[in-house]
This record gives sequence, C-alpha cells and structure tokens, in this order.
Amino acid sequence: DTEVTQTPKHLVMGMTNKKSLKCEQHMGHRAMYWYKQKAKKPPELMFVYSYEKLSINESVPSRFSPECPNSSLLNLHLHALQPEDSALYLCASSHQLAGGYEQFFGPGTRLTVL
Amino acid sequence: GENVEQHPSTLSVQEGDSAVIKCTYSDSASNYFPWYKQELGKRPQLIIDIRSNVGEKKDQRIAVTLNKTAKHFSLHITETQPEDSAVYFCAASMGGSQGNLIFGKGTKLSVKP
Repeated sequence: DTEVTQTPKHLVMGMTNKKSLKCEQHMGHRAMYWYKQKAKKPPELMFVYSYEKLSINESVPSRFSPECPNSSLLNLHLHALQPEDSALYLCASSHQLAGGYEQFFGPGTRLTVL
Repeated sequence: GENVEQHPSTLSVQEGDSAVIKCTYSDSASNYFPWYKQELGKRPQLIIDIRSNVGEKKDQRIAVTLNKTAKHFSLHITETQPEDSAVYFCAASMGGSQGNLIFGKGTKLSVKP
C-alpha cells in the first residue's frame, strides 16, 4: 500500500462545531504532516509528527489540535473555526523527518467554514 | 529560516515546446530539492527530486539541474504535452529536525495544443 488516505473528502461546518479530520498510511513512515492549502497557493505547513511525537508546530491557532494515536494514524481536531480557515487540508507522510525523503500527500479534505 | 523563490508564476507554451521553471533558495544547508506537480483538485505529486551531491538528474522528458554555488535549481520539461498542464511547486529541505519542506509559490503551466 503506497497511499495516504484522508477522510472526509469534503466537510462543511459552522463556527461552533467540533469536527475531526483523519489521515492514514500503511507505508511504515515515521513522519506525518498536516498542511493547509489555499487556492493558488503552496501547501503551508501546520504540524509535523516524528515517531508519534509532535516535532514542529508552526504557530498554528489552538482551534486546530493535532493528534497522533499510533504510527499509522494522524488526526486534526477542529473547534470554533473561522471562515478564513476554509481551505484544502492535506496530510503527508515520509520515511523519516530527516531531509531527503519523499513526502507522499493524501488527497486532502476540502473544508468550508460557514 | 529558509526562503524559496520561484519564477515564473505563470508559463504558457505550445505543445512540443520546452518549459523551464527556476527556483532559488537562501539557506546553503538545504540539501534536498523536490518538484511537485498539482493538477486542479488533486494532491501534489512528486515528479522528480535532486540531492545536493548531484548536479543534474533526468527522468524521460523531465530534468532538474542544481547549482549549489548560486543556490538555484531548475525544472526542465521537454516535448511538452497538454497533460503537463498543472501547477508546479519547487521545494527545499534541510536534514535532521529541519527536514520539513519549504515550498516556492508555484508556477501555473499551460500547454496549448
């Protein structure tokens, strides 16, 4: 299995809702990433997990809460989001965090905040 | 921190022509330079990458060159086809705990039949 999967594909939520995005990979990768991508922009790094521990947090607002339950799963918990948080949320994984390893991206979750 | 500049932002070519996209990076410690292709509504996909101990790499119609002294790298696509139309992102990465990718702003390539 050489794919990263993400659920759901689309999500519409109100500003008071709580929802979660899920990401899964079975390639044995030990680094997993959350990116946010706005239209016509590059992916913007949010969080990095290395060996199930949070390694990088790019000053993301606390309304986004990552979780790595095991080496194959990565979640992003959402609470009290703002309309400007509407974007494509991409998960990625790589063999390790150390540079030089390909990052495999999932298909993304298209999030709309009303 | 690392900064990656990418040019041009848009590029239009006729089918069969070559396309060149250029990127510069700021941190000489960067040692890994991937290129991603992202079609509309799809995920970014790696098309080619190069490491700092190599000056050039080819894969069929795609090639990447790296000039460490000048801190720039380029993507070359020959014999372009309409299916090459997409947004291309360059990126740079350092090793160790700074292994995350720093992306350029992207180039929208349009190949006209």
